[in-house]
Amino acid sequence: GAGVSQSPSNKVTEKGKDVELRCDPISGHTALYWYRQSLGQGLEFLIYFQGNSAPDKSGLPSDRFSAERTGGSVSTLTIQRTQQEDSAVYLCASSFPDWGETQYFGPGTRLLVL
Amino acid sequence: DQQVKQNSPSLSVQEGRISILNCDYTNSMFDYFLWYKKYPAEGPTFLISISSIKDKNEDGRFTVFLNKSAKHLSLHIVPSQPGDSAVYFCAASAWGSNDMRFGAGTRLTVKP
Repeated sequence: GAGVSQSPSNKVTEKGKDVELRCDPISGHTALYWYRQSLGQGLEFLIYFQGNSAPDKSGLPSDRFSAERTGGSVSTLTIQRTQQEDSAVYLCASSFPDWGETQYFGPGTRLLVL
Repeated sequence: DQQVKQNSPSLSVQEGRISILNCDYTNSMFDYFLWYKKYPAEGPTFLISISSIKDKNEDGRFTVFLNKSAKHLSLHIVPSQPGDSAVYFCAASAWGSNDMRFGAGTRLTVKP
């Protein structure tokens, strides 16, 4: 497809379970971002990948959150031992690597932790 | 800390009139600003941007104004159309930073 895709589109899980969220960026985009949007909040930066460089993890809210990007393309965001406050929409975006390049967002994964 | 603020959670305007969405920021290092538009169940899409060397950028019905001394920017939509009804996010970043900060969004409703 031409755009950023994310899966699953919706995820309901029980507190304490682990979840994995997937992002397929636009082909050729070497920069990949994860954001979180909680109810009533703005988009919160989580993590940034650029090519083979070490990721910028400065936005991850706790050590329960981790992300990988394999082969410079697909990325997985993992949340371990989920808590109810993790419920949010998780958005992935990709762009060309230069500063200021427009980010193209996926449709998001809506996570609900019961 | 909320470095980018959109103080109006919602705005309602009549079709054909001007919509003005406001955004304030606190970090003087920010030098690049963007507006994104978001429809329900979709990711945000880029709308328009402005760098700090300008005070105005226009693209069709959309104009962004930047007031650096006031740390304020605004998005003007004229004339507003019902299809413009969406949530609008203001975003800001500093040179070389990966950390783009977003406001909480303003829900615009354009009434026919």
